[in-house]
Amino acid sequence: EVQLVESGGGLVQPGGSLRLSCAASGFTFSSYSMAWVRQAPGKGLEWVSYISSSSSTINYADSVKGRFTVSRDNAKNSLLLQMNSLRAEDTAVYYCARRRSSGFYYFDNWGQGTLVTVSS
Amino acid sequence: SYVLAQPPSVPVAPGRAATITCGGDNIGSKNVHWYQQKPGQAPVVVIYYDSERPSGIPERFSGSNSGNTATLTISRVEAGDEADYYCQVWDSSTDHWVFGGGTKLTVL
Repeated sequence: EVQLVESGGGLVQPGGSLRLSCAASGFTFSSYSMAWVRQAPGKGLEWVSYISSSSSTINYADSVKGRFTVSRDNAKNSLLLQMNSLRAEDTAVYYCARRRSSGFYYFDNWGQGTLVTVSS
Repeated sequence: SYVLAQPPSVPVAPGRAATITCGGDNIGSKNVHWYQQKPGQAPVVVIYYDSERPSGIPERFSGSNSGNTATLTISRVEAGDEADYYCQVWDSSTDHWVFGGGTKLTVL
């Protein structure tokens, strides 16, 4: 069974930093591309970042480019999101999601999310 | 950047069909995927590649895509279908993944 478990969320002050992790199990992590998607309270889904299986391709939404850094450790089956210079508008539940496979442009498995609150 | 437009809400009586639209510039040239999200839960894909259903998704869920509008249709709506529904595409011009604003399906 595919499992994605996010951690690292919490309360942080504006301008602060936070590092999110996503632990993957139940599949060959190194064969799949991954993404972070967030959802502000009461709002819709917003794609944040994407990383290919070998980390050769990395993309960011314009809203986080230059502030967030995605990475992965295939040996540890983990996906990471380093978030710097956080703003109030970054407050959201952050989901890690697995891209189905190469050639398929949708996310077939999602974690349950971790809440990030940016507030003073 | 590519924009997907969805109606904020769609009401439907039980047993009737619900239609949720997703508008975008020449969206018919893209592959559209649909997710269902119930309160407090992660999204689940219900339609991929315009009209394909993942295993475990009822046949009542179907999709189509043409011109500037993609459509998710849920026939014989049940109370358990009440949820938020999001369309999604991949924009090859920017390598960005784009979600629609979401539609709240309310079963009356």
